Amino acid sequence: EAQVTQNPRYLITVTGKKLTVTCSQNMNHEYMSWYRQDPGLGLRQIYYSMNVEVTDKGDVPEGYKVSRKEKRNFPLILESPSPNQTSLYFCASSLSGTFIGEQYFGPGTRLTVT
Amino acid sequence: DQQVKQNSPSLSVQEGRISILNCDYTNSMFDYFLWYKKYPAEGPTFLISISSIKDKNEDGRFTVFLNKSAKHLSLHIVPSQPGDSAVYFCAARDSNYQLIWGAGTKLIIKP
Repeated sequence: EAQVTQNPRYLITVTGKKLTVTCSQNMNHEYMSWYRQDPGLGLRQIYYSMNVEVTDKGDVPEGYKVSRKEKRNFPLILESPSPNQTSLYFCASSLSGTFIGEQYFGPGTRLTVT
Repeated sequence: DQQVKQNSPSLSVQEGRISILNCDYTNSMFDYFLWYKKYPAEGPTFLISISSIKDKNEDGRFTVFLNKSAKHLSLHIVPSQPGDSAVYFCAARDSNYQLIWGAGTKLIIKP
């Protein structure tokens, strides 16, 4: 089954404790992206990757890191989480970086930073 | 400053009637527009899209209309069904091929 998986689905952590949210897709997609969703703001892009070893900042990259060492995986790293990073996070992928159009989304990771 | 706006946070429609969801944008360089649907505890799923060179695209019960002069697009669902109850996001593709998203409209279909 074609899908984007994220782990964990729920995470409660404390300020400053490094964490990683994993994202994996099995569709051989070139393009992958991370979003955060906050009430009244829709989805805002954090980072995206057009292909392996190619990453770029989105609209809200501060406090986040990513890497794309393999085509299927695109982990999101919070080196020192803060309460303002409490949010719902989505990973997405699409076939090509130049036709972003239809993106496939993971189920989301709800992160709470206390 | 939001470039893509969905001004109605929620909309309630009777089953069987037409649902119309609206979206306004400010950037005339957007070249592709999409609607996504999101159920609780799931990620958004693609619904329908339209290129800026068209003014209408239809897929079954779903039709998207684009009015470039007004920088406005709308999604029509006819007839509305209970399973259509969800949050609907519109998104626009910018010149860097990235999607700019609206805040979403929660559609409630009443039986």
